Amino acid sequence: QLQLQESGPGLVKPSETLSLTCTVSGGSISSSSYYWGWIRQPPGKGLEWIGSIYYSGSTYYNPSLKSRVTISVDTSKNQFSLKLSSVTAADTAVYYCAGATVTWQYAFDIWGQGTMVTVSS
Amino acid sequence: SYVLTQPPSVSVAPGQTARITCGGNNIGSKSVHWYQQKPGQAPVLVVYDDSDRPSGIPERFSGSNSGNTATLTISRVEAGDEADYYCQVWDSSSDHYVFGTGTKVTVL
Repeated sequence: QLQLQESGPGLVKPSETLSLTCTVSGGSISSSSYYWGWIRQPPGKGLEWIGSIYYSGSTYYNPSLKSRVTISVDTSKNQFSLKLSSVTAADTAVYYCAGATVTWQYAFDIWGQGTMVTVSS
Repeated sequence: SYVLTQPPSVSVAPGQTARITCGGNNIGSKSVHWYQQKPGQAPVLVVYDDSDRPSGIPERFSGSNSGNTATLTISRVEAGDEADYYCQVWDSSSDHYVFGTGTKVTVL
């Protein structure tokens, strides 16, 4: 059964780049059945989709974040990654990686536990 | 951009039925998914493609979608159903996901 685990720094300074990695276990990230995505949730607020990637490298980004976001995939390590540049306090959030199954109309049926990232000097 | 609107809160007595709406322009033409999120936990998919349930999700959870409104219905509400609920669609016109604003369900 597929499992996801986020990793990366919990504290990032303003204006720097936030970098997170999601490791996929229990299956292959190269599966044609899944798109991989990042979703975040600021404290006390709702869910915000950041972007998604297919194993082939095709990417889709939230228009509101597109200029600062890069999502990439490393099939050799069974991982995909998020980079968010020029961060501010508004980027403080719990960041989730998730898998969206093609079979279920791209619903996110697999989620990591989430990792809290704080932007502060 | 596409917007999904949910009521901020819904209160329901145990054993009764909770209905959570998700409004969006012509949402009936899209596939709607629903997530349950309890405090401190990652979201869990409870309904996908408007009305289907993943294995392990009780039959008490059901969904419908027509016109400009999708609805998640929780029948015979239990204390354990108290959580935040989010609807979600894939907006094919702009190739991006949209989450609803979220609804907090309180069991009285």
